[in-house]
Amino acid sequence: EAGVVQSPRYKIIEKKQPVAFWCNPISGHNTLYWYRQNLGQGPELLIRYENEEAVDDSQLPKDRFSAERLKGVDSTLKIQPAELGDSAVYLCASSSEQGTDTQYFGPGTRLTVL
Amino acid sequence: SQQGEEDPQALSIQEGENATMNCSYKTSINNLQWYRQNSGRGLVHLILIRSNEREKHSGRLRVTLDTSKKSSSLLITASRAADTASYFCVFGTSGSRLTFGEGTQLTVNP
Repeated sequence: EAGVVQSPRYKIIEKKQPVAFWCNPISGHNTLYWYRQNLGQGPELLIRYENEEAVDDSQLPKDRFSAERLKGVDSTLKIQPAELGDSAVYLCASSSEQGTDTQYFGPGTRLTVL
Repeated sequence: SQQGEEDPQALSIQEGENATMNCSYKTSINNLQWYRQNSGRGLVHLILIRSNEREKHSGRLRVTLDTSKKSSSLLITASRAADTASYFCVFGTSGSRLTFGEGTQLTVNP
């Protein structure tokens, strides 16, 4: 069974530039999560999807961050414009049941904003 | 939402020794999970224990849950250098958000 796929693995951009991350969850998983992880800290939830509906986006900085999950499968997380403080690892995860059961994580995208 | 608090923040042991990490929380939970993160394999689910369970085993891992004390522990027996990683406890409540703490950084010295 293929795991959660994310791309790109690494991204270096200058501040004020836009950036997008892509995630393909495990086949059949209805729930998809985006997390941000700063160095030395645990992952912080940005947004959770149940199929194509964003059911928890309270932690998403909506002035510059946006996400979509068209057709309830793949998802894209965008930052526009990026700021220096956005440098972090962006993790995507999926699970087969709502919320509290096992989450399967992708390898993450390491973003560096210069 | 609230996060689990792991203790200790860092732990260094010799290969072959046992490692114990603890986690505390404040509200009622449906389940508690432990995850491991290292640079080689990313963030991986280790074990889930439900609120009506007191102990669970998986290979060299043993997890206990004490809902009266709102605490859990993860024991890794006969540790290996490959167990070097950050360990996170994460608990699920009704409402479905999992919140990660800062984790325990375990170093197993060969």
